[in-house]
Amino acid sequence: KNEVEQSPQNLTAQEGEFITINCSYSVGISALHWLQQHPGGGIVSLFMLSSGKKKHGRLIATINIQEKHSSLHITASHPRDSAVYICAVRLGGGADGLTFGKGTHLIIQP
Amino acid sequence: DVKVTQSSRYLVKRTGEKVFLECVQDMDHENMFWYRQDPGLGLRLIYFSYDVKMKEKGDIPEGYSVSREKKERFSLILESASTNQTSMYLCASTQNGEAFFGQGTRLTVV
Repeated sequence: KNEVEQSPQNLTAQEGEFITINCSYSVGISALHWLQQHPGGGIVSLFMLSSGKKKHGRLIATINIQEKHSSLHITASHPRDSAVYICAVRLGGGADGLTFGKGTHLIIQP
Repeated sequence: DVKVTQSSRYLVKRTGEKVFLECVQDMDHENMFWYRQDPGLGLRLIYFSYDVKMKEKGDIPEGYSVSREKKERFSLILESASTNQTSMYLCASTQNGEAFFGQGTRLTVV
């Protein structure tokens, strides 16, 4: 069974700091998602990765398939980045369901 | 441009009631999923469906059933609600690896 581990579980930082959230998984995957969940519950997909690196604004996601590891970086963090960030992986072989990490609760203080 | 819509944001039901949670997607996706999200446990898969009238059990199907009579609609049913089903329920649809989530339904069973 694939396990998805995220670290840290909780992170509090000051506005402007560079943030890194890590995700490790235990079996081969076809894709990895980084998701953002704000208070109130709705989840938004930030990135879907199968290799390399993607950038969107101040957010950068990287994945190392050999090491089974991904990172989400936030540059110049802002209080509006405060949210729960969830890593989710999709197995290969046609299955389209996701296995989720438990999430990282990020608070950016002004 | 709402893509996955859950019928209620908040619900309060009594123990023993039959509860319907509705999810509709407008992207003609074949794959739809119901998850519950609890503190410290992350998102766990209850049921999923790959096609109309087709359903598969996820990791925690006990106490739940589902219905998929039309491609765009996937319903989660609690036959006899219990207090341990108090949770946040999230619906998702996927196609070609892209995942879209509803806003979530926070269900309280009293």
